[in-house]
Amino acid sequence: QPVLTQPPSVSGAPGQRVTISCTGSNSNIGAGYGVHWYQQVPGTAPKLLIYVNVNRPSGVPDRFSGTKSGTSASLAITGLQAEDEANYYCQSYDNSLSGSVFGGGTKLTVL
Amino acid sequence: EVQLVESGGGLVQPGGSLTLSCAASGFTFNFYWMTWVRQAPGKGLEWVATMNKDGSDKYYVDFVKGRFTISRDNAKNSLYLQMNSLRAEDTAVYYCAKYNNYYMDVWGKGTTVAVSS
Repeated sequence: QPVLTQPPSVSGAPGQRVTISCTGSNSNIGAGYGVHWYQQVPGTAPKLLIYVNVNRPSGVPDRFSGTKSGTSASLAITGLQAEDEANYYCQSYDNSLSGSVFGGGTKLTVL
Repeated sequence: EVQLVESGGGLVQPGGSLTLSCAASGFTFNFYWMTWVRQAPGKGLEWVATMNKDGSDKYYVDFVKGRFTISRDNAKNSLYLQMNSLRAEDTAVYYCAKYNNYYMDVWGKGTTVAVSS
């Protein structure tokens, strides 16, 4: 079972806003480690979307934003577009495992 | 252009061994930690191993400890993953990634490992 918990799926119509939650514990997100988000279109490699809770790499549209509070984090996508249809993963560091941990992934469907 | 290219995947029998390679270019390889992440068919991402800049520190997920070894050759800008005692559940796409401040900012396209008799 993944250490971080994400909903298996979310959906929204073009132009709408969706959020994806990521819940951890006091040994990872709650310990102050950053939460990072990746986008993976099926059949391709993951791509960094948000790093250290709120930061977007160059080239990532500002429609994507991240927040973190306590032992949880969220990814918000506004102005949904068909090209946003993908799987999204959260990731953090866990000090009890001494390594990275991922969420199980959330499949975003654009209706 | 920053690039990571994995190689060495293939079909191997249970109990067999395989060594994956990752060739890095476009950045100063010995400045960064590096990591391996895998993805079983139809499943999510799973961290496998991480190594620091000079190779003196290595970290593994529990289910590969004692079977997998991460290593690097900074002179060749290359990262490796030696995998022994392979099991069917090790079947996955293995990604090499640049590890920067606890996140993976550059990923390779992956190499596929299939463990089957």
